Amino acid sequence: DAGVTQSPTHLIKTRGQQVTLRCSPKSGHDTVSWYQQALGQGPQFIFQYYEEEERQRGNFPDRFSGHQFPNYSSELNVNALLLGDSALYLCASSLRGGNEQYFGPGTRLTVT
Amino acid sequence: QKEVEQDPGPLSVPEGAIVSLNCTYSNSAFQYFMWYRQYSRKGPELLMYTYSSGNKEDGRFTAQVDKSSKYISLFIRDSQPSDSATYLCAMSTPTTSGTYKYIFGTGTRLKVLA
Repeated sequence: DAGVTQSPTHLIKTRGQQVTLRCSPKSGHDTVSWYQQALGQGPQFIFQYYEEEERQRGNFPDRFSGHQFPNYSSELNVNALLLGDSALYLCASSLRGGNEQYFGPGTRLTVT
Repeated sequence: QKEVEQDPGPLSVPEGAIVSLNCTYSNSAFQYFMWYRQYSRKGPELLMYTYSSGNKEDGRFTAQVDKSSKYISLFIRDSQPSDSATYLCAMSTPTTSGTYKYIFGTGTRLKVLA
């Protein structure tokens, strides 16, 4: 049973650039959530996608956008990168109406 | 006040000790309570998931929820060096879109000494 996968594993970008992170949910899951985790902090909710629509959004600026595809995979896009965007970006999948989230290994983004 | 409060530690215990990890919360709308284990530079791994007040046991792990006090705990019996990790509590509540809103604690770093 394939778990949640994310790509790439690591990424280094320069301030002002744009980045796209990718996530494939656990087999059978249809809901994808994205989180930002700074060093020494808990995951902070960015947004959640179900049926290719953004269903919930956390307190993140419009520079953060996403997309969900018909196969339930998802992308997180961040524009105009800031140094403060450096973090571990986590994708979690679940079943809509189900409450158990499973996380991927994360993408570590470094902005220089 | 944060919705979920968790002592960041670090907490150091000798091998074989019983570990107690705790979180408090302020939002009485939270209905579901979870504990995740996160090893360094890895994604969180779901350990325990509970709904109602009371205890739930799984091997060496016991999750306890007290909704009246807005307090949850995770107990680890016979702790092992391999239990050394950051433990995150998480809570969720249903939303109008039919999904769930999750809030995480900051995590407690645990080190079990051999």
